[in-house]
Amino acid sequence: DAGVIQSPRHEVTEMGQEVTLRCKPISGHNSLFWYRQTMMRGLELLIYFNNNVPIDDSGMPEDRFSAKMPNASFSTLKIQPSEPRDSAVYFCASSARGSGTGELFFGEGSRLTVL
Amino acid sequence: SQKIEQNSEALNIQEGKTATLTCNYTNYSPAYLQWYRQDPGRGPVFLLLIRENEKEKRKERLKVTFDTTLKQSLFHITASQPADSATYLCALDAAGGTSYGKLTFGQGTILTVHP
Repeated sequence: DAGVIQSPRHEVTEMGQEVTLRCKPISGHNSLFWYRQTMMRGLELLIYFNNNVPIDDSGMPEDRFSAKMPNASFSTLKIQPSEPRDSAVYFCASSARGSGTGELFFGEGSRLTVL
Repeated sequence: SQKIEQNSEALNIQEGKTATLTCNYTNYSPAYLQWYRQDPGRGPVFLLLIRENEKEKRKERLKVTFDTTLKQSLFHITASQPADSATYLCALDAAGGTSYGKLTFGQGTILTVHP
């Protein structure tokens, strides 16, 4: 299995632009998570889905952030408009609910820089 | 307020010694706790899970303990090697066992093993 695949790996954009991050979870996993990592705040959970349905989006910082999961093999995290304080590494992770371990499999992350 | 604290930002030890990392938490009642390893520029990788009714879990040179009275987990790496150098993150089940994957992460401890 290729693991969790995220794109782009790096994104540099200017303030005010729309940013879309993409994630392909591991096949057969039914839970998907979006995390953000910064030096100041560490890893923060933004939103998670179970069977393509958003379960908890309480970590989404504000209305500029939105996430979708149109099917079991694809999810997007969109920021519109982007701001410099959104600069961070965004991780997507998936897990097999009921696996017994709750182990999260992370992608390699998308490093976002907003100028 | 809820808080997860890992004992120190950085830990330096000599090769062959045992590394001990600490994770303390307040105002959580986790059903389980996990430890992850993160290398620079990579996503976190799952190492071990320990449940609230387990005192200790081992995997090769790794050992994790979980004391729900003290609200503390200890993570040990015995016979440490330079290849063990990485950031180690503890993560708590933030949903009281109702939903695998809603993890809250500590800030991490950067472990450096010197030859």
